[in-house]
Formats: sequence, C-alpha cells, structure tokens
Amino acid sequence: GQSLEQPSEVTAVEGAIVQINCTYQTSGFYGLSWYQQHDGGAPTFLSYNALDGLEETGRFSSFLSRSDSYGYLLLQELQMKDSASYFCAVMWGKLIFGQGTELSVKP
Amino acid sequence: GAGVSQSPRYKVTKRGQDVTLRCDPISSHATLYWYQQALGQGPEFLTYFNYEAQPDKSGLPSDRFSAERPEGSISTLTIQRTEQRDSAMYRCASSREGAGSSTGELFFGEGSRLTVL
Repeated sequence: GQSLEQPSEVTAVEGAIVQINCTYQTSGFYGLSWYQQHDGGAPTFLSYNALDGLEETGRFSSFLSRSDSYGYLLLQELQMKDSASYFCAVMWGKLIFGQGTELSVKP
Repeated sequence: GAGVSQSPRYKVTKRGQDVTLRCDPISSHATLYWYQQALGQGPEFLTYFNYEAQPDKSGLPSDRFSAERPEGSISTLTIQRTEQRDSAMYRCASSREGAGSSTGELFFGEGSRLTVL
C-alpha cells in the first residue's frame, strides 16, 4: 500500500520562505507530485519530481530524495494568495494523495 | 473540451436512492480518475480508466459503487442505495498519458458535491 505524511498546518508571513515536507511509504514509485487547492476548489498541479534533486518553477521549487522517501515543496516570496492547501502525491499506476498541509500566509 | 467537466455540481438525494455522476474529460486524454474528497482531507482514490479499460478499482468503498467509461471518453460514477456516509465531493481528473508513465500531472474538474439526507 501507500502512505504519505505531511504537516497538517503551516503559518508564515508575507515575503517569507516556507518548506512543506512529505515523507512516503509505497510499494512502488514513479514520482512525487505537488498540488495546490484553494478553498475546496479543484486541485491544481504545481510540480513533479521523478528523479532526485530540485525542480524549480518560478517561486515554487520541489525536491525529492528517493533513497530517503522524502520530498518537500519550497515556496519563496510568499504572497497572501498562496494561502491554500498543498498536497503531495505519489504516482504509482495511480496518483495517491497525502492529507494536505494548510498554509496560512499572514501580512 | 477545454477542461474537465463534471455534472451535476450539486446533488442532494435521500438515503437509499441511486445517483449517477458524470465526467467529461479533456479531449484525447487517455487516463481518467475518480476521487472522493471529504472536507479538510486529501482526495481519496476510487478508480481509474485507461481509455475504456479499468485496471484498478481498488478504492471503491463497496459494491454499491461502480464506474464506467464505455467509449473511452465520458465516464460515469454510480452509487446505488446511497447512505449518509457517501456524502462527499466526488472529483474527476484526466491526464494525457497512460497511468504508469506520466508527468504526475492530472487535470481536475470542479467536482460534484453529493449530500445524502
């Protein structure tokens, strides 16, 4: 089976940097994805790591260490609009989601 | 279509009734997924299709739940004899690639919120 763990809540201030960690246990693994979800709307794709290392997309970066079964999402120059839930998800024939981290960005 | 479309957006039904939810994926997307999402939780996998084939339905909670994608495009999720615990948001997503390759990118619809009274 698969299980993913991420913190339930994170709070940060506008302009700061925040890191959301994700550890996983899976029977198989193609890669780790990150999704953002605002106020119960549709989850939207942020990034995907199939290989170890850092992937950068604008203010967002994602990291993967396959040997440690660990990844993180790094959000820089936080803005109020970044307040949302963030999900890591493991791709193994299907996409399995973690329970999500609610990020609150304060002024 | 331009995006993943789900209908109805909201459905209120009485316990014991059958409901059918519909998903129209992005045109030519090979893979279609169904998820159930409770408030404050992550999407829970139900089942997925590669075109019309259904390789994995391990997430369906009981035999009251079934899904179809007969022509490899539009899909329906049917819940028979609904129970109050079935109340949730049901989300459909599609991706270009077949499951198992992938960039891990799914395109989600806005969901169908089911309330069972």
